[in-house]
Amino acid sequence: DVKVTQSSRYLVKRTGEKVFLECVQDMDHENMFWYRQDPGLGLRLIYFSYDVKMKEKGDIPEGYSVSREKKERFSLILESASTNQTSMYLCASSKLGGDPSYNEQFFGPGTRLTVL
Amino acid sequence: LAKTTQPISMDSYEGQEVNITCSHNNIATNDYITWYQQFPSQGPRFIIQGYKTKVTNEVASLFIPADRKSSTLSLPRVSLSDTAVYYCLVDPGSGNTGKLIFGQGTTLQVKP
Repeated sequence: DVKVTQSSRYLVKRTGEKVFLECVQDMDHENMFWYRQDPGLGLRLIYFSYDVKMKEKGDIPEGYSVSREKKERFSLILESASTNQTSMYLCASSKLGGDPSYNEQFFGPGTRLTVL
Repeated sequence: LAKTTQPISMDSYEGQEVNITCSHNNIATNDYITWYQQFPSQGPRFIIQGYKTKVTNEVASLFIPADRKSSTLSLPRVSLSDTAVYYCLVDPGSGNTGKLIFGQGTTLQVKP
């Protein structure tokens, strides 16, 4: 069974703290994604990566950075957490290929982050 | 990437057929239409994808008219467990980096 796992389901941090959210996939997928989900706004893409050490900004990269040192692992970093980063964070992965069926994204269970 | 428009919410009763329509007026020739389903406290999951006419699987059917400017996801005889958010996406397929745009989706509430 394919799997995307995230390091925590719930996380509470204080303003100004550095926060690491980890995501691991076991499907040998090239693409990995970080989204945040907020009520009324749907899923918004923060960053994605199509290869080790490669990254591209999504729609809302401000205040975030990412790291991909190994193919199976994609980390989201909040350098200095702020209250407006309280949200549900979802990681996903997909194969890289020309066939649209390859673009199916597999999601992790999400991390609900609260910044106080 | 082509933008999609779908209703924010829908209500239904158990046993009814539910049809959720999505408009994608700027769909390109190579684009596919894809639907995801998200249950509360879970990540979205792929349910169906199509290019034209009709596609059916064990979960849903997808109807796409000839002009492909809209599509309809059909859920037969819904149950309470079909309560979820349903996202309509346009997938560029070939040459795509894998990036997809998820909008707000349609929140389907199935009542007993």
